Amino acid sequence: DAKTTQPPSMDCAEGRAANLPCNHSTISGNEYVYWYRQIHSQGPQYIIHGLKNNETNEMASLIITEDRKSSTLILPHATLRDTAVYYCITQAVGYSGGYQKVTFGIGTKLQVIP
Amino acid sequence: SQTIHQWPATLVQPVGSPLSLECTVEGTSNPNLYWYRQAAGRGLQLLFYSVGIGQISSEVPQNLSASRPQDRQFILSSKKLLLSDSGFYLCAWRGGTGGPYNEQFFGPGTRLTVL
Repeated sequence: DAKTTQPPSMDCAEGRAANLPCNHSTISGNEYVYWYRQIHSQGPQYIIHGLKNNETNEMASLIITEDRKSSTLILPHATLRDTAVYYCITQAVGYSGGYQKVTFGIGTKLQVIP
Repeated sequence: SQTIHQWPATLVQPVGSPLSLECTVEGTSNPNLYWYRQAAGRGLQLLFYSVGIGQISSEVPQNLSASRPQDRQFILSSKKLLLSDSGFYLCAWRGGTGGPYNEQFFGPGTRLTVL
């Protein structure tokens, strides 16, 4: 079972910031928060991940609360191409030879509106 | 750089027929490999994972099986397909030598329709 909860759907106006929330109240101390997105009929694509500090890359920003029980993915200027299902997951980062099970929930379907 | 291939891209099979989907990874050695299924309008369901050649773990009991005959080859099979096997099948990898272990990389997927 997924260890995160997300709203099933959200709308965002094109050009505006899209803020996607995620609750992960049972996150362990060694688990990171990861975000992926899946554009229709494609495989999921990695976006960003973080442990406890806020992170930013060319795609998005990740804000993690101080207690690490929730996080928000921010797409600063949403475009129509950002319409996708966004998955928030938690996983421990281990050595390459070890097994790391990753469970994806239903995610949030983001619709960017022109 | 690493790449992942899946084939076929689409497949239509009758109920009761066998299935074989193949996934290969290039550019890394000894990766963790995964098979997921996504039914229409649903999330990703982890079916199998493998940490090495011949090492397969099943997450969901079903009429599917998986094999890893070579380090970078992962095969999903069935002897007799059911209608409920329809869906979007995704192969993924992470880790190994030559690849990052902190994110999963997904293949393009196979859309299977069982009639």
